[in-house]
Amino acid sequence: QVTLRESGPALVKPTQTLTLTCTFSGFSLTTSGMCVSWIRQPPGKALEWVARVDWDGDKYYNASLKARLTISKDTSKYQVVLTMTNMDPEDTATYYCARNIIAPSDGDFVGYFDYWGPGTRVTVSS
Amino acid sequence: QSVLTQPPSASATPGQRVTISCSGTSSSIGRNTVNWFQQLPGTAPKLLIFKNNQRPSGVPDRFSGSKSGTSASLAISGLQSEDEADYYCAAWDDSLKGWVFGGGTKLTVL
Repeated sequence: QVTLRESGPALVKPTQTLTLTCTFSGFSLTTSGMCVSWIRQPPGKALEWVARVDWDGDKYYNASLKARLTISKDTSKYQVVLTMTNMDPEDTATYYCARNIIAPSDGDFVGYFDYWGPGTRVTVSS
Repeated sequence: QSVLTQPPSASATPGQRVTISCSGTSSSIGRNTVNWFQQLPGTAPKLLIFKNNQRPSGVPDRFSGSKSGTSASLAISGLQSEDEADYYCAAWDDSLKGWVFGGGTKLTVL
């Protein structure tokens, strides 16, 4: 049974650094084809992909946020950590982590998000 | 502004068929498969369609997806009240080297 759960502060001040942790179970990030992405959703707005880390260590970032982001994995803890620096009120959103499963042996390096965490709400305010 | 374009709203009566469009670019939908998600109020998105037209286990066959060129569509037949939700399309963009989402379509069952 695959599960993911996000954790982190509910409130951060502008200019601070946000650290979010995705703790997952039911799969390993050492298995070929397993990836985890972060996706966020501002209140009342659309989904926005933030970052992805793959089983082989490859990392991808939203180009508009890349300078502020770091994604990392701790395979022994079954965790993926996202840090975002210089937080702004426009970063207020629900942050989701999701498993992104791909099939590199079939030439599929994109895949799809099959399992999502419930999300964690982050408010940026002084 | 989202990279993939969806109509902001759609509506139909119970039992009817509704389609939701998703328009992309040559580097996104034109080169990669499309996924669709359903988001009920206050909940996380749920995978509805993957790889253009594949349904995960448990998703009713009332939901179907298709893709042609740089556009994709989600069709829902036999509309039910519980289908009232927000629907999002998503695809990988080779130029941006990242996932892009549509702006979402709010489906109302009249």
